[in-house]
Amino acid sequence: ETGVTQSPTHLIKTRGQQVTLRCSSQSGHNTVSWYQQALGQGPQFIFQYYREEENGRGNFPPRFSGLQFPNYSSELNVNALELDDSALYLCASSLRQLTDTQYFGPGTRLTVL
Amino acid sequence: AQTVTQSQPEMSVQEAETVTLSCTYDTSENNYYLFWYKQPPSRQMILVIRQEAYKQQNATENRFSVNFQKAAKSFSLKISDSQLGDTAMYFCAFSMEYGNKLVFGAGTILRVKS
Repeated sequence: ETGVTQSPTHLIKTRGQQVTLRCSSQSGHNTVSWYQQALGQGPQFIFQYYREEENGRGNFPPRFSGLQFPNYSSELNVNALELDDSALYLCASSLRQLTDTQYFGPGTRLTVL
Repeated sequence: AQTVTQSQPEMSVQEAETVTLSCTYDTSENNYYLFWYKQPPSRQMILVIRQEAYKQQNATENRFSVNFQKAAKSFSLKISDSQLGDTAMYFCAFSMEYGNKLVFGAGTILRVKS
């Protein structure tokens, strides 16, 4: 059983650019959630995808968007990057029907200059 | 909206001793899940223990146990026989029964000293 993986590990962008972060869910999981973790804070829920459809969204602007693919992997896209978007972005997968336990990937550290 | 509060920003404990991390939460729901996650310097969030609100029995996982007080909306984590590898940021988190969105507290940094 493979765990949750994320790419890239680190990323540096400049203000105004666009970025795509990727996540492969744990084998057998059909739900992917994305979280933003600013330095020294707890993660904040961005949105969740279940069977390729958005299923819940946190308090994030529309420039944060996502996709889930038929193999349940997922992308997080952020347009018009701002300095405050600098954070650790965590992806978590779960099998919605059986358990609410989420298993996290190692995260992508995004720095916006 | 649900909220989770961790009132201890930092804690220290000697190796082999016991430490308790505090967490309170606010919700109007009756069914939900509570979690403790550990985030070491490697950044990967690791599940430590979970508790279903409908279960009165406190969850235990080896050296980790919780004290779940539903009426008081309190969910503390006890770590027995602390080890150096327990040094990490610990997050308390809340989830609704049929939704997977996790609401996290601000975290408690735990340092285990030799």
